[in-house]
Amino acid sequence: AQSVTQLGSHVSVSEGALVLLRCNYSSSVPPYLFWYVQYPNQGLQLLLKYTTGATLVKGINGFEAEFKKSETSFHLTKPSAHMSDAAEYFCAVSDQSSSGGYNKLIFGAGTRLAVHP
Amino acid sequence: EAQVTQNPRYLITVTGKKLTVTCSQNMNHEYMSWYRQDPGLGLRQIYYSMNVEVTDKGDVPEGYKVSRKEKRNFPLILESPSPNQTSLYFCASSLGEGNEQFFGPGTRLTVL
Repeated sequence: AQSVTQLGSHVSVSEGALVLLRCNYSSSVPPYLFWYVQYPNQGLQLLLKYTTGATLVKGINGFEAEFKKSETSFHLTKPSAHMSDAAEYFCAVSDQSSSGGYNKLIFGAGTRLAVHP
Repeated sequence: EAQVTQNPRYLITVTGKKLTVTCSQNMNHEYMSWYRQDPGLGLRQIYYSMNVEVTDKGDVPEGYKVSRKEKRNFPLILESPSPNQTSLYFCASSLGEGNEQFFGPGTRLTVL
């Protein structure tokens, strides 16, 4: 079964600085990988997802992530942080369910991003 | 507006008093799922459903029940809630495997 590790439960950056949020998965290559964002008191929204093809995936709000099979990683980056990026970010990967499909999502513990002036 | 709705949004109850949290989606999605979110643990899947009358256990199903009698609704039932079920619960729906999951606003449950 898959597990997802997000290094750093809290990350703090200055406005305008690079954002790097780390995500590693545990075992065989999952067919689907996702990053979700959760703003305070809200549900989760999809930032981006990887299925097949190009390993660099672009998402909303200037975020992108690169799938690196050799490193079992799917790190999220943004070149220049904005105050509005402050939120909690979750990496998730698909896992095989008992029915054989890949409908199960395994989430990491989350990384809370703080952006200071 | 395409959305997933949950009710209630907040609930405080006592140990052993049966409760139901409703979830409804208006996107004609086949796949629906329930998660609980706890600090430091991220989201953990409780149950999911791939279609009407088709449900399966997630990673933390103990103490919960679900049913899927209609495509749009996927209620979560706690027959005898206990304090360790105090959590933030999210319902989600999607078209299926590999597709974006759309999340409801969450239900904050406290069991005393």
